[in-house]
Amino acid sequence: QKEVEQNSGPLSVPEGAIASLNCTYSDRGSQSFFWYRQYSGKSPELIMSIYSNGDKEDGRFTAQLNKASQYVSLLIRDSQPSDSATYLCAVNTGFQKLVFGTGTRLLVSP
Amino acid sequence: GAGVSQSPSNKVTEKGKDVELRCDPISGHTALYWYRQSLGQGLEFLIYFQGNSAPDKSGLPSDRFSAERTGGSVSTLTIQRTQQEDSAVYLCASSATGRGANVLTFGAGSRLTVL
Repeated sequence: QKEVEQNSGPLSVPEGAIASLNCTYSDRGSQSFFWYRQYSGKSPELIMSIYSNGDKEDGRFTAQLNKASQYVSLLIRDSQPSDSATYLCAVNTGFQKLVFGTGTRLLVSP
Repeated sequence: GAGVSQSPSNKVTEKGKDVELRCDPISGHTALYWYRQSLGQGLEFLIYFQGNSAPDKSGLPSDRFSAERTGGSVSTLTIQRTQQEDSAVYLCASSATGRGANVLTFGAGSRLTVL
């Protein structure tokens, strides 16, 4: 079992819709969770971090964490074509080692 | 510096040659990470430094790969006797500690092509 798993996609949504991205992780002791966005040919950039169970909102982005079920999700409201990118879930598995999933490609059509 | 700087940005080499990739992290960032990203793939963890020490080298693919960090700043990733499967983008990232831990800032990457 991979440490961090994501559906590779692509996930296609129309402009203005809600995009829902999911991630599961295997290490039950993980404490820190992150979502990075990577545009084609570019480096990843942090968009959200979450440490506690529940929801965390930042603008159009909401991260959701459920430690009991070992999943993390990212919701993007009012999706825009500029949101089209690969979204990487990352989990701290201990001692600051950050493990990334393979990413979900999101396509937002005008 | 203002960001994470990596060099070279592109490196084409022949199979069997050695290569060195350099990373200059954000000033004051004590943690430094190396990842590898093959075409269309996710980020593969290679090694992580806290200061000059590498608590976790578990991701290094083979003994042909080594890394060091000096002065708590610049890091060098060395690949000896390169193979075609080493072709990838090598990404360096740095982060602070404490509340900034794991908030990684990535460099632009070094694209390695082994012919």
